[in-house]
Amino acid sequence: DAEITQSPRHKITETGRQVTLACHQTWNHNNMFWYRQDLGHGLRLIHYSYGVQDTNKGEVSDGYSVSRSNTEDLPLTLESAASSQTSVYFCASSAGSSGTRNEQFFGPGTRLTVL
Amino acid sequence: AQSVTQLDSHVSVSEGTPVLLRCNYSSSYSPSLFWYVQHPNKGLQLLLKYTSAATLVKGINGFEAEFKKSETSFHLTKPSAHMSDAAEYFCVVSDRLSGNTPLVFGKGTRLSVIA
Repeated sequence: DAEITQSPRHKITETGRQVTLACHQTWNHNNMFWYRQDLGHGLRLIHYSYGVQDTNKGEVSDGYSVSRSNTEDLPLTLESAASSQTSVYFCASSAGSSGTRNEQFFGPGTRLTVL
Repeated sequence: AQSVTQLDSHVSVSEGTPVLLRCNYSSSYSPSLFWYVQHPNKGLQLLLKYTSAATLVKGINGFEAEFKKSETSFHLTKPSAHMSDAAEYFCVVSDRLSGNTPLVFGKGTRLSVIA
């Protein structure tokens, strides 16, 4: 069965360190997204990609970067982790084009703690 | 620009009584609308979606929602709450005619079900 996975599921790191969160999907979807979830804010979009070599900034992109070298993966990098980036991170993918193909499929999430 | 307002941050119902979670949206385009559910420490799962067919949409687990363009609403209902319905619910909007528009999430409504 097609799926979307994230690793690690839990991560503790220190302020200033570089951290990379992995996202891998086997849906063969063009579109991939990264969100962070914080109490009182719902899900906020960090970065997204509509295909290989395409990346776009979302609502809360400062301090984060992504790259898309293949269809299956969209790793999220925190260049220099800050305590404000402690959060739960969700990756999602969608087929794109119009109508029902807007539906996004979500990974299980990564809980990141920055000390 | 698109936005979603979930009118209640927390709803509490007794088991066996009806559920109503309210959502208003704003969209410059023809919207697609979704409800996602998130159980504690889990990822997001699609409950139902509206993409221009029938205005009354039926989803999983007995939930349904009605698209009312005149009221710009997409409220989620269920006739009889079950303990397993306790979760966080997110109303989501996107541009129906362009699959390449990121989803916009509401801040969520936490549903508690009392035995």
